Amino acid sequence: DAKTTQPPSMDCAEGRAANLPCNHSTISGNEYVYWYRQIHSQGPQYIIHGLKNNETNEMASLIITEDRKSSTLILPHATLRDTAVYYCIVFEYAGNMLTFGGGTRLMVKP
Amino acid sequence: GAVVSQHPSWVICKSGTSVKIECRSLDFQATTMFWYRQFPKQSLMLMATSNEGSKATYEQGVEKDKFLINHASLTLSTLTVTSAHPEDSSFYICSARGLAGAGEQYFGPGTRLTVT
Repeated sequence: DAKTTQPPSMDCAEGRAANLPCNHSTISGNEYVYWYRQIHSQGPQYIIHGLKNNETNEMASLIITEDRKSSTLILPHATLRDTAVYYCIVFEYAGNMLTFGGGTRLMVKP
Repeated sequence: GAVVSQHPSWVICKSGTSVKIECRSLDFQATTMFWYRQFPKQSLMLMATSNEGSKATYEQGVEKDKFLINHASLTLSTLTVTSAHPEDSSFYICSARGLAGAGEQYFGPGTRLTVT
């Protein structure tokens, strides 16, 4: 079973920030939080990952709460091409495999 | 970034025939490759994990004799769907994990299999 809980769908206006929440209350100390997205009929695309600290890259920012039980993926200026299913995954390096939950279907609207 | 390719991108075959799907890591060596299956409007389901030079590990409920996986080199894994049936029609996605890093997996573009 997936270890994360995400809302099934969200809407966002084009140009605005998209904030996608994820709950992972049973995360263990050596598990990372990974985010991937899947645009229709394509393979998943890696976005960002983090362990404890907040992270930022050219695609997004990842905010992890201090207790690590939840996180938020932020797309600062959403575009129509960001419409996709976003998956939040907790991953242990030694465990070796990603387990996908239901994800959040983000619809960016003009 | 790391690139993973799959071939073919789509295939239509007749019931009872076998289909081979290739997964290649183009610019890195992948010690581990993963095969996923995705039905319409559903999430990805892991089918099997393959390590170069050893037998694949299959998830519960996945028939190893039907879904043959070969990981002959650090850049190539193949999935063969044997004696395909219409219920095997699905989107098959591979991913590859490199030798270094925190364990990021890079996904291929997927292969759409339709069995008629």
